[in-house]
Amino acid sequence: QKEVEQNSGPLSVPEGAIASLNCTYSDRGSQSFFWYRQYSGKSPELIMSIYSNGDKEDGRFTAQLNKASQYVSLLIRDSQPSDSATYLCAVNGGPGGFKTIFGAGTRLFVKA
Amino acid sequence: GAVVSQHPSRVICKSGTSVKIECRSLDFQATTMFWYRQFPKKSLMLMATSNEGSKATYEQGVEKDKFLINHASLTLSTLTVTSAHPEDSSFYICSARVTGGGQPQHFGDGTRLSIL
Repeated sequence: QKEVEQNSGPLSVPEGAIASLNCTYSDRGSQSFFWYRQYSGKSPELIMSIYSNGDKEDGRFTAQLNKASQYVSLLIRDSQPSDSATYLCAVNGGPGGFKTIFGAGTRLFVKA
Repeated sequence: GAVVSQHPSRVICKSGTSVKIECRSLDFQATTMFWYRQFPKKSLMLMATSNEGSKATYEQGVEKDKFLINHASLTLSTLTVTSAHPEDSSFYICSARVTGGGQPQHFGDGTRLSIL
């Protein structure tokens, strides 16, 4: 079992729809969770951080965390073609929360 | 805040050349920096963790004599690819983290290395 799992996709949604990206993790002691966006040929860019159970909203993005289910998700409302990218889930765990494990990423295509 | 600068952005050089890549945290101090490698359409692969003032920790399968890492200050880490060969061509990305557990990594823009 991978430590951080994501569906590789591609996930294809029409413009204006909600894109839902999911991530599960194996370390129950994990405390910090992040979503990165990576455009083709570019480096990852941090878009959301979440530390406690529930929802966290930032503009069109909502991160959801459920520690009991070891599940974190990212919702993108009103998806735009410019949202087309690979989305990486990252989890900090281990002693002191210093170890970061990245998922392999989910490719998202938003069709105009 | 949390800006990481990586230089150069692109390198094209002949086989056998050594190439140095710099990674700087511009507005924060980074006790720990990370070096990744990424092939086209593949996942990030952690190569090594760079700790200020001590030796880097390399991931399994990464040759420490091939990929030399120096983290001499709280804002600068360097990766030197020694005697580079075509198979070393890749996208190299550094990241840095604000000191303290639970903080995210912030990435540089990456260096695209092409060895002829």
